[in-house]
Amino acid sequence: KQEVTQIPAALSVPEGENLVLNCSFTDSAIYNLQWFRQDPGKGLTSLLLIQSSQREQTSGRLNASLDKSSGRSTLYIAASQPGDSATYLCAVKDSSYKLIFGSGTRLLVRP
Amino acid sequence: GAVVSQHPSWVICKSGTSVKIECRSLDFQATTMFWYRQFPKQSLMLMATSNEGSKATYEQGVEKDKFLINHASLTLSTLTVTSAHPEDSSFYICSAGLRGGTEAFFGQGTRLTVV
Repeated sequence: KQEVTQIPAALSVPEGENLVLNCSFTDSAIYNLQWFRQDPGKGLTSLLLIQSSQREQTSGRLNASLDKSSGRSTLYIAASQPGDSATYLCAVKDSSYKLIFGSGTRLLVRP
Repeated sequence: GAVVSQHPSWVICKSGTSVKIECRSLDFQATTMFWYRQFPKQSLMLMATSNEGSKATYEQGVEKDKFLINHASLTLSTLTVTSAHPEDSSFYICSAGLRGGTEAFFGQGTRLTVV
């Protein structure tokens, strides 16, 4: 059974810092991995999608990497801003096309 | 990206009544939609997979008679919480996508409060 773990559970950083969020999964047989952002009481916004054959994806200040063999992904946020404060979720799509979510990292960027 | 619209965004209902939540893909046809449930400060848990024109597939522990799912068209899936109880109060989110290794798009979620 696929399990997804995110570390840390919460993170507080001063504005301007670069930071890394971690995601690990137990079964390397995935189709893709997706990083989402969720603001309190809101739905999910897709940030980056990495196909199983890819190693990384970039969008603006965000960079996500994928090491399928070791079951790990990282989300790198450069020059963090207070507007980046949210919960970040990673999810893997398994062989049955279901998305399995991690428990999320709650990020607070202090002005 | 594709747009998924979920309605209503929040609803309060009395215990024992039923509530219907709609999930629409606005600019693409979704052969498969997924319904998730999220408790406060927890992650999303998949409830069921909704396939157009066929019965939904429910995850273990989810009561199919309580959470009725209908996927009558390629752009609309509905989740009906029947005989709602306070413990059904939660955040329900749908997602849509084409079958295969493609990106998942999510609705804005529905906050259900049963009083």
